[in-house]
Amino acid sequence: QKEVEQDPGPLSVPEGAIVSLNCTYSNSAFQYFMWYRQYSRKGPELLMYTYSSGNKEDGRFTAQVDKSSKYISLFIRDSQPSDSATYLCAMNAGGTSYGKLTFGQGTILTVHP
Amino acid sequence: NAGVMQNPRHLVRRRGQEARLRCSPVKGHSHVYWYRQLPEEGLKFMVYLQKENIIDESGMPKERFSAEFPKEGPSILRIQQVVRGDSAAYFCASSPPVAGANVLTFGAGSRLTVL
Repeated sequence: QKEVEQDPGPLSVPEGAIVSLNCTYSNSAFQYFMWYRQYSRKGPELLMYTYSSGNKEDGRFTAQVDKSSKYISLFIRDSQPSDSATYLCAMNAGGTSYGKLTFGQGTILTVHP
Repeated sequence: NAGVMQNPRHLVRRRGQEARLRCSPVKGHSHVYWYRQLPEEGLKFMVYLQKENIIDESGMPKERFSAEFPKEGPSILRIQQVVRGDSAAYFCASSPPVAGANVLTFGAGSRLTVL
């Protein structure tokens, strides 16, 4: 079993839809949770960074962490064609493992006009 | 302020040759990480370096792979005697020291193809 599981999709939605992306994990030591966006042939770009359980909102993006269920989500409101990319969840325990991230497989999202 | 610069962007090698991938971190960043992305897989941690020191190489294959981050110049990921299974995208990331160490900035990657 992988430490971090992420549905690879692909996910296809119409413009303006609400998108829900999810990851589950098994390592209870994970405390820092991130979402990266990766366009084709590009490097990952940090979208959201959260610590422990709770919600964080940034514009059209909302990240949720439920440590009791070992489940994290990213919601994208009013999705745009420019949101079409691969979304990667990542996490670590912090401390001496700073920068050593465990990634999900990535979910391919297409937002069509 | 330039981001993480990686070169070459694309590299083709025949089996048995050596591959050298270079990474210049964001100016002011002292921590460098290498990750590998195999086809249909997520990013996998390989190694974490600071200037002149390997901090964590737990993700590096035991043979043929090495990494360095010298006092002067870019970080280098070196793969000796490449095999077809080494074909992948190799991403370098950097972070500032201490408080921001968990926030990584990734480069655009170097795509290695082994024929």
